[in-house]
Amino acid sequence: ETGVTQSPTHLIKTRGQQVTLRCSSQSGHNTVSWYQQALGQGPQFIFQYYREEENGRGNFPPRFSGLQFPNYSSELNVNALELDDSALYLCASSHKRGLNQETQYFGPGTRLLVL
Amino acid sequence: TQLLEQSPQFLSIQEGENLTVYCNSSSVFSSLQWYRQEPGEGPVLLVTVVTGGEVKKLKRLTFQFGDARKDSSLHITAAQPGDTGLYLCAGATGNQFYFGTGTSLTVIP
Repeated sequence: ETGVTQSPTHLIKTRGQQVTLRCSSQSGHNTVSWYQQALGQGPQFIFQYYREEENGRGNFPPRFSGLQFPNYSSELNVNALELDDSALYLCASSHKRGLNQETQYFGPGTRLLVL
Repeated sequence: TQLLEQSPQFLSIQEGENLTVYCNSSSVFSSLQWYRQEPGEGPVLLVTVVTGGEVKKLKRLTFQFGDARKDSSLHITAAQPGDTGLYLCAGATGNQFYFGTGTSLTVIP
């Protein structure tokens, strides 16, 4: 059983650029959630994807978007990057059955720095 | 809006001491998880509690879920330097997980 993986591990972009972060979910999981974690704070929920559709969204603007693929891997896209987007971006996978969502397991994260 | 508040925010103790971290909310959660996170890494799951009043033990760590499923505590006995890290609680409701503010623990040898 493979764990959650994310790529790249680190990324430097300039303000106004666009970025795509990738996540491979753990084997047997069908749900992927993305979080933004600023330095010294707890993770903030961005959105969740289940069966290739967005299944819940936190308080993030539309320039944060995502995709989930048939193999349950996922991408997070951020357009028009701002300095405040600098953070650790975490992906977590879990298995959802009906209304019940099982425990989520996190990847190592992608550290994004916007200059 | 922070649904889960953790206290204390920072804690620095000597090796061998005991400590308790609290995770409080006015919301009811279907389950609650505790994670530990090292700098630059993703959170690592320690435990999941589901039933109100549930107590789980993981070696020197004891986790309790409040009767009303709104709060939780983590107690560490005889802390060791390896326990140093950021402790996060996270509550599940519907299709979202809400994380606490985190408790940064430093255990001094």
